Order: sequence, then structure tokens, then C-alpha cells
Amino acid sequence: QVQLVQSGAEVKKPGASVKVSCKASGYTFTSYGISWVRQAPGQGLEWMGWISAYNGNTNYAQKLQGRVTMTTDTSTSTAYMELRSLRSDDTAVYYCARTTYYYDSSGYPKTYYFDYWGQGTLVTVSS
Amino acid sequence: DIQMTQSPSTLSASVGDRVTITCRASQSISSWLAWYQQKPGKAPKLLIYKASSLESGVPSRFSGSGSGTEFTLTISSLQPDDFATYYCQQYNSYSPSFGPGTKVDIK
Repeated sequence: QVQLVQSGAEVKKPGASVKVSCKASGYTFTSYGISWVRQAPGQGLEWMGWISAYNGNTNYAQKLQGRVTMTTDTSTSTAYMELRSLRSDDTAVYYCARTTYYYDSSGYPKTYYFDYWGQGTLVTVSS
Repeated sequence: DIQMTQSPSTLSASVGDRVTITCRASQSISSWLAWYQQKPGKAPKLLIYKASSLESGVPSRFSGSGSGTEFTLTISSLQPDDFATYYCQQYNSYSPSFGPGTKVDIK
């Protein structure tokens, strides 16, 4: 069965970086993408970006450009999300989710919906 | 960016009720819409994709409809397990986006 297992909770100080992992199993890792979605306490869902596990192509949400990096390690079927220059409003539960994607007529990758999700990783940013 | 709205933000209902949640997009997204259910402390769960396709294993009391800019999620007969928050999500653009959520609670 498809499973995405994320790393444990983190507490960071403002200005620091955090790297969250997401280990996939039960499917061919390189046939899908991994998206990252976060949820601040009591708030809704915010898409952060995604990465193709096949070729490492990425697309990041504009508001996070320059602070976020998504990578994959195909040898261990693991995806990573690193967020730098942390602020208090980055405090959230971070989820990874499997996504199918395709290349549109302009040759740019587009993702579909998110069919399997990790259990979430709480990142707390506090001085 | 495509903005998503949902109504109502909160819905109080009883077991057995028919429940309808509306999701609107700021521009046409064709049928590129998904619905998720989220319970407290848990990850979202995919219910519906491509506006009306039921994800495998999801009970048939859930259904989705709509296209363009207006969509609905219907629960035909609300069950105790259905009290949760529901989110719509568009994937028409390069930057997917979610609606703000609709909380379904017990009347």
C-alpha cells in the first residue's frame, strides 16, 4: 500500500532553517511528483510547491521563492523540503503528498490532485 | 493566481441530513477540481477529483458536480464519521490552490 512517512516535529529559532523528509513506499517513486502543503494552526491548507521525482523539476509558490528548496533522493525514495530564514508565521504542520503530473502544450509541467498524504510534521518557530 | 472561495464556512447538520457545500473559482478551471476531507490532527483525505470522480474507497454518499467556476460537494445522508472540514482545490493552474474550508459540525 502507498505510504508517505514524514520526519518528526521540529522546534527552530527565527532565522534558522528546517529540513523535513518524506519517505515513500508502495509505489514507483519516480513515476510521480511530491507536493508540499502546509497548515498554520487553526488555518487552511497552503500549497508550497512540488517536485518531480523523475527529473527533479520543481515549481514553488511565489511567496516562498528564494526560501524553499525541494529535493529528492531516488535511491531511498525520499523527498525533502528545506525552508530557510524561518519566521514565526512559518509555524505550521507541513505535509507531503503524492501527485500525478503532466506536461502541457507549452511543455511546462502541471500537477493534478494529491491522492496520498504523509502524516504531517509540526514545525514550531519560536525564540 | 486563481482564488477559491467556499460557502458556507460552517455548516451545522444532523445525522441523515443531505449536505451541500459550494466552491467557486475566480476564473474558469474547467473540471480541474478536487475535494478533500480533513479531521482534527489528521492529514487531508482525497474524496473527489476532476469535479465528479469518486476516489476509490470513498463511500458513494459523497458526490461532486460542476464545471467552470462553480462546484458542489454533496453528502446524500450525513453519517457520524462525516463531521469534518472539507476543502476544495483547483489544479487548473501551475500553482494549485485551496478553498478556505467548510466545517461540518453537529447540530
